[in-house]
Amino acid sequence: GDSVTQMEGPVTLSEEACLTINCTYTATGYPSLFWYVQYPGEGLQLLLKATKADDKGSNKGFEATYRKETTSFHLEKGSVQVSDSAVYFCALKMDTGRRALTFGSGTRLQVQP
Amino acid sequence: DVKVTQSSRYLVKRTGEKVFLECVQDMDHENMFWYRQDPGLGLRLIYFSYDVKMKEKGDIPEGYSVSREKKERFSLILESASTNQTSMYLCASRTRKTQYNEQFFGPGTRLTVL
Repeated sequence: GDSVTQMEGPVTLSEEACLTINCTYTATGYPSLFWYVQYPGEGLQLLLKATKADDKGSNKGFEATYRKETTSFHLEKGSVQVSDSAVYFCALKMDTGRRALTFGSGTRLQVQP
Repeated sequence: DVKVTQSSRYLVKRTGEKVFLECVQDMDHENMFWYRQDPGLGLRLIYFSYDVKMKEKGDIPEGYSVSREKKERFSLILESASTNQTSMYLCASRTRKTQYNEQFFGPGTRLTVL
């Protein structure tokens, strides 16, 4: 079946450091890809998405590019802030069939001042 | 502002109790979901409802049932709670009117079964 693999956390960075959280997927077709963020004590919020190969999603300084050849959707940010501390989930959704998202295990990011 | 609300943020129940978790959305969404979130496992789908009175089993439906009598409300029921159902439960909703639309999540209910 379809699956998403994320790098294990926690990832601990100093403020203004560069961030990369790796995400790779396995799917039988061509999924849409998402990054969701969960701030402490809250539900998940959509951070960015990409619906086809080579699309780049971006929001709040975060970016991710849909790479079909490497089946990857890595999350990047050039300069993190303490307020970016959260858990980040990579997810996929197929165009047909399963209507729910398939999530990775989540990566906790801790940014220190 | 779109909103998904869940009836409780924290809940403590005893083994064998019947537990109801309620979710309400105000966006007139057709699709609603219940997920369970556990450390290292991400979110796993318990049940999905694609419209009123319609439901589908997700990846881990055992020990759970659901009810969707009204479009805005989706209830998750633990018929006889067990300690291995201690977890964070997240509800989400989505419109089916567009193909690439996002799911909107509630704040979660942290359930502890003693």
